[in-house]
Amino acid sequence: GPKVLQIPSHQIIDMGQMVTLNCDPVSNHLYFYWYKQILGQQMEFLVNFYNGKVMEKSKLFKDQFSVERPDGSYFTLKIQPTALEDSAVYFCASSLEGSSYEQYFGPGTRLTVL
Amino acid sequence: GDSVTQTEGPVTVSESESLIINCTYSATSIAYPNLFWYVRYPGEGLQLLLKVITAGQKGSSRGFEATYNKETTSFHLQKASVQESDSAVYYCALDTNAYKVIFGKGTHLHVLP
Repeated sequence: GPKVLQIPSHQIIDMGQMVTLNCDPVSNHLYFYWYKQILGQQMEFLVNFYNGKVMEKSKLFKDQFSVERPDGSYFTLKIQPTALEDSAVYFCASSLEGSSYEQYFGPGTRLTVL
Repeated sequence: GDSVTQTEGPVTVSESESLIINCTYSATSIAYPNLFWYVRYPGEGLQLLLKVITAGQKGSSRGFEATYNKETTSFHLQKASVQESDSAVYYCALDTNAYKVIFGKGTHLHVLP
């Protein structure tokens, strides 16, 4: 079936550095999402993105976070600067439409902030 | 706010036994959310197992089924006879038409051969 790819699979950085997580969504999808899962906790919604704009973001989407998808390339999540509490697995998802249409998830990027 | 509560794992059953993983939801922003079960097999990404968007309906896939019960606000996942290959983490989830999915904490299922 359709695949969402995430690059890299693991990333280790020092606190205060910038990090960019990359997502290659399903090619004809229009809606894009990021979720965050801290070890032992549930996966939580961060942000969704459509037509070049953030539609909705949760309280977990701090000011240090930003998303973009320039010219149909990767859908990215940038954290600048990183903090220790940003350590988590970040999952990207995409869907053809929003709402009840199926979201397809990537395998996740494990981010470790030291 | 909206939330999902599911059976805490791990759940261990023997092959060919029946399975039920409980899921209840709370949706304050919408009366009838869309309901989902997602699954993550070892080494793989999260994938949709089944979904039901109409209250009272039943969804089924790969021998699993779940019924959308609006009276009890439940969406329990059941299978009559599990296989070792069903070992995975199962997530109950809901979608409030707000373009985001709200997940339960996940239930680790171990099926013994």
